[in-house]
Amino acid sequence: EPEVTQTPSHQVTQMGQEVILRCVPISNHLYFYWYRQILGQKVEFLVSFYNNEISEKSEIFDDQFSVERPDGSNFTLKIRSTKLEDSAMYFCASTPQGNLQETQYFGPGTRLLVL
Amino acid sequence: QQQVKQSPQSLIVQKGGISIINCAYENTAFDYFPWYQQFPGKGPALLIAIRPDVSEKKEGRFTISFNKSAKQFSLHIMDSQPGDSATYFCAARGGETSGSRLTFGEGTQLTVNP
Repeated sequence: EPEVTQTPSHQVTQMGQEVILRCVPISNHLYFYWYRQILGQKVEFLVSFYNNEISEKSEIFDDQFSVERPDGSNFTLKIRSTKLEDSAMYFCASTPQGNLQETQYFGPGTRLLVL
Repeated sequence: QQQVKQSPQSLIVQKGGISIINCAYENTAFDYFPWYQQFPGKGPALLIAIRPDVSEKKEGRFTISFNKSAKQFSLHIMDSQPGDSATYFCAARGGETSGSRLTFGEGTQLTVNP
């Protein structure tokens, strides 16, 4: 069964450094998402992406964050200058089409630790 | 307005028992209500979902009950098994200004004792 994959599984970085989290959505999916989950808390929406542009973003997704689909398969989340509070599990998700009734399939996540 | 409130925070059930997790929402524009199951170190996986025009949906041991007038929905796990031990999140999608984003509840850590 097709899956969303994410790399790396774990990333440790120093505060102020840039990180890029990578995702490979399911191949025929068209909508892509990033969510984050701070340890012990609920999953929070960051951004959605469709047709090579951001379709929606939350208040968390400030100027330090950016997303890109550099080729036909990868979807990346960049944090330009990491802060301690960026430490969280970051999940990529995708859906097969823009229909609001479609399921979002989540990847296994990247655990980011900012020191 | 965009929040989804979930309870209880944790739940312990004996094997074979019924697990019940409740969620409430405010935004009447939400149009899709999924439940996700999450095991430690893994991403959320869709368990079951319901639309607001249906009052109940059953898939195997899992049932969603939906009360549109009360703006509440719940997950029932019948004949709970130790393998069901996980964190469960309710979520809601859509809304006038929220597009396709999912708004998650706080999560319920379910432990099923053998």
